[in-house]
Amino acid sequence: SQTIHQWPATLVQPVGSPLSLECTVEGTSNPNLYWYRQAAGRGLQLLFYSVGIGQISSEVPQNLSASRPQDRQFILSSKKLLLSDSGFYLCAWRLGTLGAFFGQGTRLTVV
Amino acid sequence: KQEVTQIPAALSVPEGENLVLNCSFTDSAIYNLQWFRQDPGKGLTSLLLIQSSQREQTSGRLNASLDKSSGRSTLYIAASQPGDSATYLCAVASGGSYIPTFGRGTSLIVHP
Repeated sequence: SQTIHQWPATLVQPVGSPLSLECTVEGTSNPNLYWYRQAAGRGLQLLFYSVGIGQISSEVPQNLSASRPQDRQFILSSKKLLLSDSGFYLCAWRLGTLGAFFGQGTRLTVV
Repeated sequence: KQEVTQIPAALSVPEGENLVLNCSFTDSAIYNLQWFRQDPGKGLTSLLLIQSSQREQTSGRLNASLDKSSGRSTLYIAASQPGDSATYLCAVASGGSYIPTFGRGTSLIVHP
């Protein structure tokens, strides 16, 4: 069966520090991968998606970047965090016409 | 651009009531529609997936319907229980990359 791992679960980082959140999927090949952010009181905002290794599409210009170095690995990064980067970050995968499946999320607080 | 709206935004009911949560979307060219549950501080758990060619799906006390032509879906929860308290999110997959677009959710509280 397929599983998705996302870590860390919580993170407190100072303004201006770098960020690296990792997401890995097991039990499937060549999935579409997604990074979403959920800010307090707001819906899920799509940040990046990837249809294959090295292929990244950005939905919203911001202080973040994403990479997909391996088929089942998706990384969200920032060189210098801003206060506005705080939020709940969710990674998801999808294969074919199946539904999307989500990790347990990372709660990021920038202080 | 696909837009998804969920009504109501919040709902508080006594245990045992039958509930209807609504989801509407602006672009009917969807591949599928998915209902999720999110507990506070947690990720999303998939409840039901309806493909564009289907009209409804059922799982236990949950039933979801899809009317693609009118851009609407409903999630029906029968005999609600306190354990059903959570935020329920609707997402439609559309576009060339099947990107799920979410509504803002319905926050449900079922009190004993």
